[in-house]
Order: sequence, then structure tokens, then C-alpha cells
Amino acid sequence: GAGVSQSPSNKVTEKGKDVELRCDPISGHTALYWYRQSLGQGLEFLIYFQGNSAPDKSGLPSDRFSAERTGGSVSTLTIQRTQQEDSAVYLCASRDDRVDYEQYFGPGTRLTVT
Amino acid sequence: GIQVEQSPPDLILQEGANSTLRCNFSDSVNNLQWFHQNPWGQLINLFYIPSGTKQNGRLSATTVATERYSLLYISSSQTTDSGVYFCSGSARQLTFGSGTQLTVLP
Repeated sequence: GAGVSQSPSNKVTEKGKDVELRCDPISGHTALYWYRQSLGQGLEFLIYFQGNSAPDKSGLPSDRFSAERTGGSVSTLTIQRTQQEDSAVYLCASRDDRVDYEQYFGPGTRLTVT
Repeated sequence: GIQVEQSPPDLILQEGANSTLRCNFSDSVNNLQWFHQNPWGQLINLFYIPSGTKQNGRLSATTVATERYSLLYISSSQTTDSGVYFCSGSARQLTFGSGTQLTVLP
């Protein structure tokens, strides 16, 4: 079946502009995660959605970052007033919590802030 | 939070060689995954292995949860095995190690 999809695959923006990144999880997966991977680094957790529960926002680096998940499916990560240090690959993952904790990742969005 | 330590950080092999990658956790984890990140950045699921041993072709993995470590074995390595190998674990969100950069030379 279809995997996790993300759009756009690449985004170049000017410092100070807002950006929106989109994630389509695997159909039926109730848990959705956002991570960030800076160049040559491991992955850093940002935010976690589980069903109708309040999201776990403990990984968001600043109040310029926010995310929402509409209808328990598609999620949008918004970065306001982008800074150069926001440049990274943003990865989305989903899992079926009826089965186990295994997460499946999308291809990521490469964000470059100039 | 949980700390994840991977070793070695870099590994260079000749095609056909075997290797073992290790992942240590600072605390107990109730799930553990191994990923291969290919040159295009895609994270490929290798194993979901909270405990025990699993095998998939030339790859196998063992997790000893009571001793908080996991091992990934790659046998008869191929150039296509090159890339970064990550282990990760936690309860809800995954905490990742810094990865092992594997280069397999022809």
C-alpha cells in the first residue's frame, strides 16, 4: 500500500518568511510524528499526535513552530518567521498503534532558508 | 530523556566482508528500531526488534533488553549497503542515535 508522503520535497525560502510542510500518513495510522534532521546529524523529535489526544509538543524548538492534524489524518507543520538555523530535512512518520510501536517514515522535506 | 549511543561512528568495508553495529541505551526502552538511511535521505525500516533476534536475508539483529543494547549484523556486505544506519528507541517518540556511516568499497 501507499507509504507516508510529504510535500513539498524541497523548499527554499527567504529568512523571515513563513512555510508550511505537509504530511500524509499511511491510511489508518492513528499516530503521527514530526522530526527534524540537520545536516549530518541524527533525528530530533518535534511533535507527536495520537488520535484525538492533545499533541505532545515537547520537542518544538521555539514558538515559531506549530503543527496541526486535521481529521486525524493529514498534518501540517508551520514555521513562522523562518531563520537560517531552521534549514534541515523535516521528516514525518506514522504508526498503527493497534499493532505495535513501529514507525514508518516519509521521504522528508528539505527546507533551505536563505 | 533516554540517551542512545551507536558504535562505531564510521566503518569502511570491502565488499563481501561482515560487520557488527552496536547500539547502547541509557535506560530501558520498550521498542527498538533499526533504520538504513539511503543516499537520498529516505529512512528504510530494517527491523522492529524490542527483544530477541530477527533475520532478513543478509541482515540480522539482536536486542538484549535487560542489558540495554542491540546489535545489527551485516553479512557479505554489498556496495548498496552503504549509507547511515540508525538505531532508535523509546516509548512514544523515538530517540535516535547519531548513526554509523557505513561505506562498502567494491
